[in-house]
Amino acid sequence: EAQVTQNPRYLITVTGKKLTVTCSQNMNHEYMSWYRQDPGLGLRQIYYSMNVEVTDKGDVPEGYKVSRKEKRNFPLILESPSPNQTSLYFCASSPSVGGPHEQYFGPGTRLTVT
Amino acid sequence: QKEVEQDPGPLSVPEGAIVSLNCTYSNSAFQYFMWYRQYSRKGPELLMYTYSSGNKEDGRFTAQVDKSSKYISLFIRDSQPSDSATYLCAMMRSSASKIIFGSGTRLSIRP
Repeated sequence: EAQVTQNPRYLITVTGKKLTVTCSQNMNHEYMSWYRQDPGLGLRQIYYSMNVEVTDKGDVPEGYKVSRKEKRNFPLILESPSPNQTSLYFCASSPSVGGPHEQYFGPGTRLTVT
Repeated sequence: QKEVEQDPGPLSVPEGAIVSLNCTYSNSAFQYFMWYRQYSRKGPELLMYTYSSGNKEDGRFTAQVDKSSKYISLFIRDSQPSDSATYLCAMMRSSASKIIFGSGTRLSIRP
């Protein structure tokens, strides 16, 4: 089944403890992206990647890192999480370099930082 | 001022009504315009996208872009209870730029 998977789906952690949220897609998509969703603020793009080894900042990159070493995986790294990073996170991928608007989203990861 | 503004609702209409959802934007460089639907506890799913101006129709859904007014709309005809969801507009300047989403409009269709 063609899909975008994220792990873990739920995570509660403490301030300052490094964590990684994994994202994987099995559709051979070029474009991948991370978003956070907060009430009243909608979806905000954190980072995106047009291709392997190519990443760029979205609207809210502060406090996050990403890497794209292979096409199918795009992990999101929080080196030192803080409570303001408590949010619902979505990974997405798109089938065409020329059209990342056709995105397929993962199921979401709910992160709580205490 | 946000680059993309969207009324959060909630919007409640009876089954069978025509629904109009709208977004305004401030950046005239936006070229790609998208509408996503998000059910509760799920990731967004792409409904429609248009490039530049004009209309696009897909079944009961019609997307319109008016670049002169910096205004986009999504119309849903013959609305169904299954259309109850949050609808998000999104825009980008080019195929290689970041994507800006509206905050979403929560829609409820009453049987």
